[in-house]
Amino acid sequence: GDSVTQMEGPVTLSEEAFLTINCTYTATGYPSLFWYVQYPGEGLQLLLKATKADDKGSNKGFEATYRKETTSFHLEKGSVQVSDSAVYFCALSDNGSSNTGKLIFGQGTTLQVKP
Amino acid sequence: EAQVTQNPRYLITVTGKKLTVTCSQNMNHEYMSWYRQDPGLGLRQIYYSMNVEVTDKGDVPEGYKVSRKEKRNFPLILESPSPNQTSLYFCASSTKTGTGKFANTGELFFGEGSRLTVL
Repeated sequence: GDSVTQMEGPVTLSEEAFLTINCTYTATGYPSLFWYVQYPGEGLQLLLKATKADDKGSNKGFEATYRKETTSFHLEKGSVQVSDSAVYFCALSDNGSSNTGKLIFGQGTTLQVKP
Repeated sequence: EAQVTQNPRYLITVTGKKLTVTCSQNMNHEYMSWYRQDPGLGLRQIYYSMNVEVTDKGDVPEGYKVSRKEKRNFPLILESPSPNQTSLYFCASSTKTGTGKFANTGELFFGEGSRLTVL
C-alpha cells in the first residue's frame, strides 16, 4: 500500500542554519503531497502542498518540490528560527480508486532550533 | 473564525467506561475524519465520513464507533475503552471537490487534539 517515510528526529539546529527534512513516498497513481506542522499543544496545520510532479510548494520560507523520479518531497528552509521548533509531518493523499480522502502520514520529525 | 473544535481536550478514564469525544466544524465541510497519533507511528485514520449519514472505516477502526447525523458534528465513541486506546486523537475536516466516486478532498483542517488515557 501507499506509504510515507521521513527522516528520524529529533533534528537540532542553531538559529539561522539551513534545514532539510527528507521525505520519500510509495504510491500508486498520482497523489498530492503535503507538509503539515504541529506546534506544541496544537493540532496539525497545513504548511505547504504540491499536487503534481515538479510543482514546488512554499510558505513561510519553507519549500518542497514534488520529485516523481525520486519519489521525494524534501522540506527545506534557508534560515530557521526558534519559532520553527515543532513536529513536521510529510503526507500524501489517497486520491486513487479507493477514494477514502485519507491522508497517509509519515511518522513525524521533531525540529528543535536553539538560539 | 473557521475552526474544528474537539472536547474534551484531556480525559483520564478507566477500562470499560463508555466515552464520547465530540467534534464540531463551522466550515460547512462535507468530509470529516478521526485520526489517532502515537509515538513513532505518525497519524493513523480511524474512521471517516464523506457526508451526512455516510461513514466508513479507516485503517484502525477496532474499538471505535462514529456517527454523522449532522454535517457539522462527527463524534467518536469508545463503547468499552481499553488501555491500548490511550492516545492523542485528532478530528479533521475538509471540503470535497467533484462528486461521487471521483470526489477528492482538499486541505485537512485539524482540531487541537484530545489526549485520552485509559487506566
